[in-house]
Amino acid sequence: AQSVAQPEDQVNVAEGNPLTVKCTYSVSGNPYLFWYVQYPNRGLQFLLKYITGDNLVKGSYGFEAEFNKSQTSFHLKKPSALVSDSALYFCARGTSSNTGKLIFGQGTTLQVKP
Amino acid sequence: DTGVSQNPRHKITKRGQNVTFRCDPISEHNRLYWYRQTLGQGPEFLTYFQNEAQLEKSRLLSDRFSAERPKGSFSTLEIQRTEQGDSAMYLCASSLLGTGPRGANVLTFGAGSRLTVL
Repeated sequence: AQSVAQPEDQVNVAEGNPLTVKCTYSVSGNPYLFWYVQYPNRGLQFLLKYITGDNLVKGSYGFEAEFNKSQTSFHLKKPSALVSDSALYFCARGTSSNTGKLIFGQGTTLQVKP
Repeated sequence: DTGVSQNPRHKITKRGQNVTFRCDPISEHNRLYWYRQTLGQGPEFLTYFQNEAQLEKSRLLSDRFSAERPKGSFSTLEIQRTEQGDSAMYLCASSLLGTGPRGANVLTFGAGSRLTVL
């Protein structure tokens, strides 16, 4: 079955330092991969997606993610973290190229400290 | 357009009662999705519509759950005879159907409707 895993419940980073939020996916079919962010009392917001093509995907708010087929990973990265990046981050996998039916990871809380 | 709107934002009900949630998607979006999110977990897919047609339902959606999108615009999710296990955040999202491998839908989510069953 298709799935995604986020191995860290929480990631702590100091403001200005680079951040990485990890995601791995199961090897089953074509991986259509997404990152969403959830702020308190607000809906999930799309950050970026990988469908095909370049392994390095750039998204909103300075975030990027690298698709690594050999390691079945799709880690979210940002060169310099902001306190305002503190939120809950979800990796998700699409079940096909043409549907919004997504399988989400359990989420990783990012805490950026001043 | 102010995005995806969900009402009510919070609902507290007693076990056995029926509840209904409403979702107003982005007007030009032809696909509408319902997800459920429990504390500490990622959202889980429940069902989705393309225009007024319900194209897929998850096995999570028991017979007590019914969703409609009668005119291809807003949608309702009704839960009959609520149980404490139904307590969750119910998320609605909408998207515009794309084509080809780059047409994978990007979902716009509402803020959710939180259900508490006592």
